[in-house]
Amino acid sequence: QKEVEQNSGPLSVPEGAIASLNCTYSDRGSQSFFWYRQYSGKSPELIMFIYSNGDKEDGRFTAQLNKASQYVSLLIRDSQPSDSATYLCAVEDSARQLTFGSGTQLTVLP
Amino acid sequence: EPEVTQTPSHQVTQMGQEVILRCVPISNHLYFYWYRQILGQKVEFLVSFYNNEISEKSEIFDDQFSVERPDGSNFTLKIRSTKLEDSAMYFCASSEALPDEKLFFGSGTQLSVL
Repeated sequence: QKEVEQNSGPLSVPEGAIASLNCTYSDRGSQSFFWYRQYSGKSPELIMFIYSNGDKEDGRFTAQLNKASQYVSLLIRDSQPSDSATYLCAVEDSARQLTFGSGTQLTVLP
Repeated sequence: EPEVTQTPSHQVTQMGQEVILRCVPISNHLYFYWYRQILGQKVEFLVSFYNNEISEKSEIFDDQFSVERPDGSNFTLKIRSTKLEDSAMYFCASSEALPDEKLFFGSGTQLSVL
């Protein structure tokens, strides 16, 4: 069974700090990796996607992918209280289905 | 900004009743999906739909479930005989093209089966 694992948290960081969110996956055939943000009671919102090994930066967000280690991470620089949410890692497997992790709850303290 | 819209936002039904959840995907998107999220649990894939047919479905999507694109804009999920364990938030999503799979989610329908 394909698994996507995340630390459930909660992860608390002070405002302005870097938040680091981690995700591992079991299916070596996975090709595409996504980070979604979900506020409580709301739908997931895509914030980053990455397909190739290495880093991808978009504003305050950096996604990192290491396919050999089956590991993907999300860094949030200069964290803001509005970043407080649950961050979902999602992996597209070889069957082109998205499998979501259980999410990491992030709290940014003012 | 274009968005996926879902109706109703809340649906309460009695066990054994049929429900239809409705979605209007983003207009130029070609791939449509249903996901569900039981309270406090993971977002789970149900089904994907392309070119007027199901392209993938999960083990959850059994004979009680069906999807339809009755016209050029709507995409529906029908649950024929609801069970208590069908209570969840159901999300419709759409994407422009594979293999990007950049999904845009609707705001969801909260289904409560009593």
